[in-house]
Amino acid sequence: EPEVTQTPSHQVTQMGQEVILRCVPISNHLYFYWYRQILGQKVEFLVSFYNNEISEKSEIFDDQFSVERPDGSNFTLKIRSTKLEDSAMYFCASSGNRGTDTQYFGPGTRLTVL
Amino acid sequence: QKEVEQNSGPLSVPEGAIASLNCTYSDRVSQSFFWYRQYSGKSPELIMSIYSNGDKEDGRFTAQLNKASQYVSLLIRDSQPSDSATYLCALNFGNEKLTFGTGTRLTIIP
Repeated sequence: EPEVTQTPSHQVTQMGQEVILRCVPISNHLYFYWYRQILGQKVEFLVSFYNNEISEKSEIFDDQFSVERPDGSNFTLKIRSTKLEDSAMYFCASSGNRGTDTQYFGPGTRLTVL
Repeated sequence: QKEVEQNSGPLSVPEGAIASLNCTYSDRVSQSFFWYRQYSGKSPELIMSIYSNGDKEDGRFTAQLNKASQYVSLLIRDSQPSDSATYLCALNFGNEKLTFGTGTRLTIIP
């Protein structure tokens, strides 16, 4: 069964460093998303991406964040200068249709900012 | 502000009994409704989606949607210890994103 994959599973970084989180969405899906979940809190939407551009973003997704689809399979989230409060689980998701369709989540990347 | 509300629990249910999980939401525009299961430290895993009023059954799981009353529920029949997890209600309010509730922690007691 097709699934969303993410790498790395755990990333530890120093405050102020740049990190890139990688995702491979399900191959025939057209809509891609990033969510995050701070420990003990709810899953929060960051950004959605369709047709090589951002279609919606939350207020969390400020200038420190960017997304890219560098090739036909990968979808990346870059955090330019990490802060302590960026420590969270970051989940990539994909769907075959827009947000009303089911979104399938990857296993997540745990980001720890020291 | 579009909100999704869930009782955080914990909800304890004996093995073999029916577990009932509820979710209310703030906006009648909601189009799509999802139940995800999340084990500790893992990602959300889809259990059910429901788009129309009424009941939708899949194995031991039944989702119930009442748009007039703005609630969606999940019933788990014949609860198993492996059902112990946090259950997340998620809605699409007609845009690109899913809005999640805080989740209900369910414990099945053997």
